[in-house]
Amino acid sequence: ETGVTQTPRHLVMGMTNKKSLKCEQHLGHNAMYWYKQSAKKPLELMFVYSLEERVENNSVPSRFSPECPNSSHLFLHLHTLQPEDSALYLCASSYHPGAGREQYFGPGTRLTVT
Amino acid sequence: KQEVTQIPAALSVPEGENLVLNCSFTDSAIYNLQWFRQDPGKGLTSLLLIQSSQREQTSGRLNASLDKSSGRSTLYIAASQPGDSATYLCAVRMNTGFQKLVFGTGTRLLVSP
Repeated sequence: ETGVTQTPRHLVMGMTNKKSLKCEQHLGHNAMYWYKQSAKKPLELMFVYSLEERVENNSVPSRFSPECPNSSHLFLHLHTLQPEDSALYLCASSYHPGAGREQYFGPGTRLTVT
Repeated sequence: KQEVTQIPAALSVPEGENLVLNCSFTDSAIYNLQWFRQDPGKGLTSLLLIQSSQREQTSGRLNASLDKSSGRSTLYIAASQPGDSATYLCAVRMNTGFQKLVFGTGTRLLVSP
């Protein structure tokens, strides 16, 4: 595997379910990001991890819970979501975020909340 | 607060045309600007990155320009092809904090054969 991978690619869940999105990067980067892309809205940055430490939480509701166990893996744990949370969730990675380094994106997970 | 606007929102052209996509931003204190391509339901592919000190970058049929003082960038696509059909996103990297990317809403391009 190369680049940034995300699983699953598609997810349908009910409002009472608990699920997790997974991201893995194979680029030797030390920063990872979660973005949300809703229809007709710009990509919104949700969380940033640098060296496995969360450095940014962009006022995201607590029903989204990120986890970064090491510099290659990033999770987004989901629980009691709302229909408006349906979106494409994109993961990205880069070298240290403060160095203006280019971010590399995964293919995304298309989430539908019913 | 930085806001990034892309015009037009959608564009449909016949194959072979040269075209220009526009991006404007409200805060000129940027570190760099990046153009991405996104195919339907897919992730983002970086096309060009222009540092704040640069005026333009070129890659194949693509040329991106940056006028930081006026808060504008353009992406020029020469001799468009059906394979260029995608959404093109502009993003500015801020000069503060951890230099977050702020995205526009994109231009959806359709090139017909």
